[in-house]
Amino acid sequence: DQQVKQNSPSLSVQEGRISILNCDYTNSMFDYFLWYKKYPAEGPTFLISISSIKDKNEDGRFTVFLNKSAKHLSLHIVPSQPGDSAVYFCAASALRYGGSQGNLIFGKGTKLSVKP
Amino acid sequence: DAGVIQSPRHEVTEMGQEVTLRCKPISGHDYLFWYRQTMMRGLELLIYFNNNVPIDDSGMPEDRFSAKMPNASFSTLKIQPSEPRDSAVYFCASSLRDRSSPLHFGNGTRLTVT
Repeated sequence: DQQVKQNSPSLSVQEGRISILNCDYTNSMFDYFLWYKKYPAEGPTFLISISSIKDKNEDGRFTVFLNKSAKHLSLHIVPSQPGDSAVYFCAASALRYGGSQGNLIFGKGTKLSVKP
Repeated sequence: DAGVIQSPRHEVTEMGQEVTLRCKPISGHDYLFWYRQTMMRGLELLIYFNNNVPIDDSGMPEDRFSAKMPNASFSTLKIQPSEPRDSAVYFCASSLRDRSSPLHFGNGTRLTVT
């Protein structure tokens, strides 16, 4: 049983348009969410995060939206660029004592292809 | 900053052999994680350490898997004996203590057990 689900294995978008990647979670204890990007033959790299006390966080072309009631978050990339082509992982964690690191649960990823 | 360094990048071995994967975390990071990526299960946490002490090893699949962190700059993940179903990409990651600090991943070790 997956606690973090990315139901779309792949997404294809035209350069310059918006990319929307979706993620659902089941564990109501999750209160911190992250997106990682992964290129082939490399490890995942951190992209953007959001705490459950917010519903939106923006960093340049990347915006993450959180809908706690629906247990859903999404990553918007606008405008999309060919260099954004990668696998995007959604991840979630629950608060541990002292705010320290704990078990980060990953979704299976969505492969984004941005076509020129 | 050199980032998280994993070795080897690729490992091909025969069933029954011992496999040792190595990881050097980023200097100053308090936490070290071992993840495994497969098509079926995605990225799953195997074990993580805080200040060289194992905190949660509930993701370690079997007794054939063991991990150590003898000091702050080195960790190993050992599989003995290896089986074909252990074939996967194994990632090591490190981070600072605070949860808002993201994990920094190495480039992984692709393990193939024949």
